[in-house]
Amino acid sequence: NAGVTQTPKFQVLKTGQSMTLQCAQDMNHNSMYWYRQDPGMGLRLIYYSASEGTTDKGEVPNGYNVSRLNKREFSLRLESAAPSQTSVYFCASSESKGALHFGNGTRLTVT
Amino acid sequence: LAKTTQPISMDSYEGQEVNITCSHNNIATNDYITWYQQFPSQGPRFIIQGYKTKVTNEVASLFIPADRKSSTLSLPRVSLSDTAVYYCLVVPSGTYKYIFGTGTRLKVLA
Repeated sequence: NAGVTQTPKFQVLKTGQSMTLQCAQDMNHNSMYWYRQDPGMGLRLIYYSASEGTTDKGEVPNGYNVSRLNKREFSLRLESAAPSQTSVYFCASSESKGALHFGNGTRLTVT
Repeated sequence: LAKTTQPISMDSYEGQEVNITCSHNNIATNDYITWYQQFPSQGPRFIIQGYKTKVTNEVASLFIPADRKSSTLSLPRVSLSDTAVYYCLVVPSGTYKYIFGTGTRLKVLA
């Protein structure tokens, strides 16, 4: 039982490059989330998906897009990376309200 | 959505009980209160959730007064391994838009 799996673990991009962060959960959870965490700071919600087929903006959606591919997978795409998007990105899933299960994060550096 | 306020940091010594209080003055009737623990370089981990009064599990206790405008996470007899950031999250009813506060950085000293 892997829980929430995020790939890649680390990534370095140049300004303007694009990439997709992958997230998959094997707990059959309905809702999934993307958060970012800047060094020494708290978690900020980027996008969330309450159920398969739906996505909604969080606190800081600008510069990102998401796809809820199926119940298991929720991807986050950066179309044109900027240095301000240097952060650790966490994916989470939840069945019961508020009980989030987080992955171990993707550490992204944009130069 | 209810806004949460927690102390930025706390220090404690091994073996002591630690209480971290979170203020959420505009909590709505059906909102729940959840606490998370985060170690460096890891994702947050769910600790405990409650609605009112007291909830206890093998890790912590959660105290919620009758007016529900605050909650207190109690960690009994902390050890060095409890050094982490602790987040209080008010889980809103009717939406999955979960907004975390800034968290409390707990440092346990030997």
